Amino acid sequence: KAGVTQTPRYLIKTRGQQVTLSCSPISGHRSVSWYQQTPGQGLQFLFEYFSETQRNKGNFPGRFSGRQFSNSRSEMNVSTLELGDSALYLCASSSDGARYEQYFGPGTRLTVT
Amino acid sequence: QQQVKQSPQSLIVQKGGIPIINCAYENTAFDYFPWYQQFPGKGPALLIAIRPDVSEKKEGRFTISFNKSAKQFSLHIMDSQPGDSATYFCAARGTYKYIFGTGTRLKVLA
Repeated sequence: KAGVTQTPRYLIKTRGQQVTLSCSPISGHRSVSWYQQTPGQGLQFLFEYFSETQRNKGNFPGRFSGRQFSNSRSEMNVSTLELGDSALYLCASSSDGARYEQYFGPGTRLTVT
Repeated sequence: QQQVKQSPQSLIVQKGGIPIINCAYENTAFDYFPWYQQFPGKGPALLIAIRPDVSEKKEGRFTISFNKSAKQFSLHIMDSQPGDSATYFCAARGTYKYIFGTGTRLKVLA
């Protein structure tokens, strides 16, 4: 079974621009979560989607948004980028049945200059 | 109440030693506690996980000990190897989200 895939793997953007990151979950998984990882803050939860519905959201400004498609693929968007948005953005998927195991993708390294 | 406190921040052991990483939580509604291993440039990989109705779980060289009354859980790595050198994260599952500890950077000396 293929793992969680994320594209692109690396991205360099300028302050004020916007960016869209993509995540394809493990086949059969319907839950997708997004996390921001930085050296100072660790792994911070952004939001979780299940069957195209956002079920939970972390404490991030409204510039961070996401969506999930009917095939469970998910995208997250960050508008008006700030230098502090530079981070590794990780996507994780789970089946959300009785098994809670969550599996991470390799991440997208975003650098804002 | 949503925090998971992890210690130590870093750990150095000799090959064959048994590093122990500890985590503590407050929210009794957490219902699943995984540990992840992360190598530089990679996403976290699920190592082992436990539910609160179990006090210990072993998978290969990795063991989780869980103390529900103390709201603490720990990861033990038996016969540690240099290849185990990585950052380890504990986590706790809440309502449709996971809360992560701050990570422990483990170095196993050859």
